Amino acid sequence: GAVVSQHPSWVICKSGTSVKIECRSLDFQATTMFWYRQFPKQSLMLMATSNEGSKATYEQGVEKDKFLINHASLTLSTLTVTSAHPEDSSFYICSARAIGQPQHFGDGTRLSIL
Amino acid sequence: GENVEQHPSTLSVQEGDSAVIKCTYSDSASNYFPWYKQELGKRPQLIIDIRSNVGEKKDQRIAVTLNKTAKHFSLHITETQPEDSAVYFCAASKGSNYKLTFGKGTLLTVNP
Repeated sequence: GAVVSQHPSWVICKSGTSVKIECRSLDFQATTMFWYRQFPKQSLMLMATSNEGSKATYEQGVEKDKFLINHASLTLSTLTVTSAHPEDSSFYICSARAIGQPQHFGDGTRLSIL
Repeated sequence: GENVEQHPSTLSVQEGDSAVIKCTYSDSASNYFPWYKQELGKRPQLIIDIRSNVGEKKDQRIAVTLNKTAKHFSLHITETQPEDSAVYFCAASKGSNYKLTFGKGTLLTVNP
């Protein structure tokens, strides 16, 4: 149980394009989803917290207009990196949890901007 | 906000030995402490967690201890095996319904 699916697993695109990443909870209702960014050999840095039906809460220093988060249902959240540039290249990983339950992570998306 | 420090950053042990990873936290309101294992290129996986109303929790070869007064918690792995090799992250939050603050991670290498 508690499976989180993240898609795509790898994206390579040109600078200036927008990229959408999906995070789905497959066998539970995720009242909250989290989006993290992880640089090589570093820890997970929380970008934003997303509650179903509400606006996402962004961590300090994370641009809301750059990283658009939508959590329209209890099983799906999306992260859109708008007008991506090389410095946005990173490993993006989502997690999801039901009320009172631990966070479970997706497999992550490796984003490379050329 | 919460600050979680994790040590050591790297740990190398021989197969069969024990491994201990230590974390400290700053916010006395934190009461939920999970540990995640992340293999290279894969998702972090929850291996054990502890809440502040208990001092120790054990699951087979893995145990976690918590000292609320000192604000530190530790992961203990006994009889280590090569497949235990991974990066381990500790984390803290004010409850499982709140966001997690992660430590910087420990790269554990178990040598056969």
